[in-house]
Amino acid sequence: KNEVEQSPQNLTAQEGEFITINCSYSVGISALHWLQQHPGGGIVSLFMLSSGKKKHGRLIATINIQEKHSSLHITASHPRDSAVYICAVPGTYKYIFGTGTRLKVLA
Amino acid sequence: DTGVSQDPRHKITKRGQNVTFRCDPISEHNRLYWYRQTLGQGPEFLTYFQNEAQLEKSRLLSDRFSAERPKGSFSTLEIQRTEQGDSAMYLCASSLWTSRSGELFFGEGSRLTVL
Repeated sequence: KNEVEQSPQNLTAQEGEFITINCSYSVGISALHWLQQHPGGGIVSLFMLSSGKKKHGRLIATINIQEKHSSLHITASHPRDSAVYICAVPGTYKYIFGTGTRLKVLA
Repeated sequence: DTGVSQDPRHKITKRGQNVTFRCDPISEHNRLYWYRQTLGQGPEFLTYFQNEAQLEKSRLLSDRFSAERPKGSFSTLEIQRTEQGDSAMYLCASSLWTSRSGELFFGEGSRLTVL
């Protein structure tokens, strides 16, 4: 079992839909990253959060440290949101990455 | 631009040649990571530095790979005698690691194609 698991692995949505991507982890952490990677592009940090909820535009990230679970929500999804979304947690000395969720938003 | 920069962005080389990638992290960041990413996969950890010290090296990193971070600033990743299996995106990231975490900032990556 991976230390960081994401679901779903692939997701196709219609424009305007509310999207949820989940991340569960088995290690004790102090913070969690959500990252975004567009096809052929670099990796961009979306959020780093250690408790509660953070919001940036149409993106909302929540974390429950006790349950070792985080979610990334996208409201009013748009085709430009199509990307791979990756959660990452800091291990003892390096980040551990989830396998990513490949999101495709159709117009 | 104060982000993480990598050079070159693309490199095409013939099998057996040596290649070197450079990463300039965000200036005050104490940690620098190298990752490798192949198509459709997540980043695979290669190695990381705390200031100038290389503290961990993945078993993925054969002895053809070497990384340095002289003076704790920029870093280089050299691949000797390249093989077609080395074709990948090589990602550099840096963070200001305090206590148990630090926000990770990635460069745009250096894409290597070995013919």
